[in-house]
Amino acid sequence: GAVVSQHPSWVICKSGTSVKIECRSLDFQATTMFWYRQFPKQSLMLMATSNEGSKATYEQGVEKDKFLINHASLTLSTLTVTSAHPEDSSFYICSARSWRSFNEQFFGPGTRLTVL
Amino acid sequence: QKEVEQDPGPLSVPEGAIVSLNCTYSNSAFQYFMWYRQYSRKGPELLMYTYSSGNKEDGRFTAQVDKSSKYISLFIRDSQPSDSATYLCAMKTEYGNKLVFGAGTILRVKS
Repeated sequence: GAVVSQHPSWVICKSGTSVKIECRSLDFQATTMFWYRQFPKQSLMLMATSNEGSKATYEQGVEKDKFLINHASLTLSTLTVTSAHPEDSSFYICSARSWRSFNEQFFGPGTRLTVL
Repeated sequence: QKEVEQDPGPLSVPEGAIVSLNCTYSNSAFQYFMWYRQYSRKGPELLMYTYSSGNKEDGRFTAQVDKSSKYISLFIRDSQPSDSATYLCAMKTEYGNKLVFGAGTILRVKS
């Protein structure tokens, strides 16, 4: 149980385009989903927290207009990187938490974004 | 000072060795402590999860929390080459949403 998937697993795009990443909880209902960013050989940095049906809460320094998060259902959250630039190239990882276990987060496999 | 400090390594050990991984933290409000394993280009996988102080054992893995010293450890017995990965400690407060991660320790188990 507690499986989280992400799609796509990797994406290459041109500078200025937008990219959407999906995060799905496959076998549980995720009341809260989290989006992280990880640079090579660095730890995970929380970007935003989203609760189903409400607006995401962004961490300080994260541009909400650039990183659009939608959590429209209990099993799906999306992160859209708008007008992507090379400095947005990174490993994006989502995690999900169910109402049953407030303190455990289950992570997806990550999406590697490369912006040319 | 970072809230959670973790030596990035790399830590290189021979197969069969006992591995000790550690984190220190500064926020005394942290109550939940986790260890995640992350293979290269993959998402983190939850290994151990403990609440407050004490020990927890699961197979070859033992997690220890010493809140008085603000120090947590993960021990891996009979280490295997397949244990080679980055190990991340993470912690959170009682009612907080946010997990605070250490930098991660790279572990290499040589056969």
